[in-house]
Amino acid sequence: DVKVTQSSRYLVKRTGEKVFLECVQDMDHENMFWYRQDPGLGLRLIYFSYDVKMKEKGDIPEGYSVSREKKERFSLILESASTNQTSMYLCASTRGAGGNTIYFGEGSWLTVV
Amino acid sequence: RKEVEQDPGPFNVPEGATVAFNCTYSNSASQSFFWYRQDCRKEPKLLMSVYSSGNEDGRFTAQLNRASQYISLLIRDSKLSDSATYLCVVYTGGFKTIFGAGTRLFVKA
Repeated sequence: DVKVTQSSRYLVKRTGEKVFLECVQDMDHENMFWYRQDPGLGLRLIYFSYDVKMKEKGDIPEGYSVSREKKERFSLILESASTNQTSMYLCASTRGAGGNTIYFGEGSWLTVV
Repeated sequence: RKEVEQDPGPFNVPEGATVAFNCTYSNSASQSFFWYRQDCRKEPKLLMSVYSSGNEDGRFTAQLNRASQYISLLIRDSKLSDSATYLCVVYTGGFKTIFGAGTRLFVKA
């Protein structure tokens, strides 16, 4: 069974802290994504990566950075967490060209206080 | 105007009812269309793809109307287990996939 694993499910962080969200997929997918999901706004793309060490900004990259050192792993970094980054973060992966099935991790619920 | 718009609901229906969700999209060059299902506090999962010819999977029927830029999902004989949020998803090309905010469905006994 395909699997996208987000290591942290629930986090509470203080304003200004550095936050790492880790994601691992076991499907050998080329493409990996980080989204945030907020009520009424749907999923919004933060960053994506189509290959190791490659990254592209999504729709809302401000305040975030990413790292992809290995094909199976894609990390999201909040350099200095702020309260407006309280949200659910979803990692996803897809194979090949766009339009294919998107496989999501279970989500990381981040609260910044 | 949002690129993908859905009625947020919630839709409250009794078991056995037929319910329909609609979705409109703004980019006429959109290439592929999908419905994803998301259970409470869980990740979205692909329910079905949507084709111009319409497609059916058991109790679920999806339709695409490219001329009107409109997608629909019909659920027949609703079950309690159908309670979830249904996301309309539109792929517009490259790495661009747009998600609707979702329509919540509650099926009651």
